[in-house]
Amino acid sequence: DTGVSQNPRHKITKRGQNVTFRCDPISEHNRLYWYRQTLGQGPEFLTYFQNEAQLEKSRLLSDRFSAERPKGSFSTLEIQRTEQGDSAMYLCASSLTGTSGNTGELFFGEGSRLTVL
Amino acid sequence: AQSVAQPEDQVNVAEGNPLTVKCTYSVSGNPYLFWYVQYPNRGLQFLLKYITGDNLVKGSYGFEAEFNKSQTSFHLKKPSALVSDSALYFCAVSSLYNFNKFYFGSGTKLNVKP
Repeated sequence: DTGVSQNPRHKITKRGQNVTFRCDPISEHNRLYWYRQTLGQGPEFLTYFQNEAQLEKSRLLSDRFSAERPKGSFSTLEIQRTEQGDSAMYLCASSLTGTSGNTGELFFGEGSRLTVL
Repeated sequence: AQSVAQPEDQVNVAEGNPLTVKCTYSVSGNPYLFWYVQYPNRGLQFLLKYITGDNLVKGSYGFEAEFNKSQTSFHLKKPSALVSDSALYFCAVSSLYNFNKFYFGSGTKLNVKP
């Protein structure tokens, strides 16, 4: 399967614990995005990478959230000291930016569902 | 500010009838517009996009959408709905001006009844 892969698919944790999600994008894609989706809402932008550079972080992303893409391939999203409000589906997507600078459509993984008790 | 509005939380249509799911947008610069579909417990799947050119774009599963610059709309349409089209549909907008960040609407649930 050459699609976007996310692990784990489900994570249940207690408040205050740290969690880490991993995303493996489509191999030739240079952009990688993290979104958060809560029930009844559309995906909300969190952050994105162009190769290994993190170009922007949303104001939604508190200091407890950190994302990396160390070699421009897979990415991790870590949430420290989780809170109940962090419960959501965390979506990863990748895309290919053309020479014109235009980014093609996003290809999404199936998401990592976080439940904080 | 960039934003997408999907004014209908839910659209109900009978199988075989035409369907329309509405989307309006606000963005700086030329818009790049997308439709995605989400089935239960699945990731978002790309349906179609408008970047430039013909205002009517065709996509997967018989869907099409029309870009209307004056009305800042990008409504999704299908001439004949199938029960299997029942899902959650999201409109998204991006532009070079906002460095290709994608902004999504809140989604419209499409129910196609036999």
